[in-house]
Amino acid sequence: QRVTQPEKLLSVFKGAPVELKCNYSYSGSPELFWYVQYSRQRLQLLLRHISRESIKGFTADLNKGETSFHLKKPFAQEEDSAMYYCALSGYAGNNRKLIWGLGTSLAVNP
Amino acid sequence: DTGVSQNPRHKITKRGQNVTFRCDPISEHNRLYWYRQTLGQGPEFLTYFQNEAQLEKSRLLSDRFSAERPKGSFSTLEIQRTEQGDSAMYLCASNSQGGMNEQFFGPGTRLTVL
Repeated sequence: QRVTQPEKLLSVFKGAPVELKCNYSYSGSPELFWYVQYSRQRLQLLLRHISRESIKGFTADLNKGETSFHLKKPFAQEEDSAMYYCALSGYAGNNRKLIWGLGTSLAVNP
Repeated sequence: DTGVSQNPRHKITKRGQNVTFRCDPISEHNRLYWYRQTLGQGPEFLTYFQNEAQLEKSRLLSDRFSAERPKGSFSTLEIQRTEQGDSAMYLCASNSQGGMNEQFFGPGTRLTVL
């Protein structure tokens, strides 16, 4: 099982669209999340795929064919600058655990 | 604050000393996780408890690391004979068996080993 975030750093201008990529490999039915960590704050859940919700203008769709769960926002804001982690909840052995990507640092420039 | 809490928030120690961190999970959560995070990296799983039982330990966890959750509520993580490479942020998270599988994180304890 693996979660891959190919971009370590993504820099965009305010108002531009943003897409943070996440690909996974998992043999069963995964449950996917996006977590966000703002500067000097704790890790917090941003989105879960089963809720199909939009939080702070962000959406993410699970594409099982492409094994992807990319995070998108049509118009980035400066306050979106943060570290974003994609995580997969799945079974490793007998235990369900979160498998983490290495994170993408999003910088939204004025 | 009813979230996950961790103490201390910062710890500076000299190489070779022992340190102990505490995590208080959300009260109704029976699962508790410890992670380590270094700068620019994602959380690295260390160990997890369901109630008082330690169900899994990472192979990356050396014998110098030990964790307990004696009453199924708070947990402690002890590092013996600290090394400079132990310097990191130690994160605690909790959730409930049978509930949503997302984990709720504490603010972390930042350890600096001099």
